[in-house]
Amino acid sequence: DAGVTQSPTHLIKTRGQQVTLRCSPKSGHDTVSWYQQALGQGPQFIFQYYEEEERQRGNFPDRFSGHQFPNYSSELNVNALLLGDSALYLCASSWGQRSELDYGYTFGSGTRLTVV
Amino acid sequence: LAKTTQPISMDSYEGQEVNITCSHNNIATNDYITWYQQFPSQGPRFIIQGYKTKVTNEVASLFIPADRKSSTLSLPRVSLSDTAVYYCLVGDMKRTGGFKTIFGAGTRLFVKA
Repeated sequence: DAGVTQSPTHLIKTRGQQVTLRCSPKSGHDTVSWYQQALGQGPQFIFQYYEEEERQRGNFPDRFSGHQFPNYSSELNVNALLLGDSALYLCASSWGQRSELDYGYTFGSGTRLTVV
Repeated sequence: LAKTTQPISMDSYEGQEVNITCSHNNIATNDYITWYQQFPSQGPRFIIQGYKTKVTNEVASLFIPADRKSSTLSLPRVSLSDTAVYYCLVGDMKRTGGFKTIFGAGTRLFVKA
């Protein structure tokens, strides 16, 4: 049973460019959340997708956008990259209709984005 | 969302029991308490979750007093591989229709030989 898969694992971009990160959720999960984690800090919530719609958003500018596909996979897009966007980007999947059996999120290993 | 407060760091030795306490004074009635573990360059990993009293699994125990304003993660007989950052989260994990999980700064546990 595959867990959460993120691609690419590492990425180097130039300031001002655009980047797309991809996430495949754990089998059976239909909800995807994206987090940004700067070095030495806890993950910061970007947004969450369920049924192909953004249903929650953190305090991130519109440069950060996303998409969820019918197969529940998701993309995170960041436009006009800034040096401060350098971070580990984490994808977490979960099941939107909660039950007694599964409360936790399953995280991927992340994409390390470096903006130069 | 209830705010959580944890110690920034803790040191321990192999074989000892480690207890990490998290304060969440504004916890709501429907909120659950969840702990995650994170190693460098990896995503957080779910450890344990509870609502009240005590929960135990193969990895840890979670103690929650009656007022639920704090919780304690207990790691029995830690090893060097338990060196990681531990996050305490509080939220309405059973509510459908959308919720977001907010991480704090976490507690950096360093286990020494």
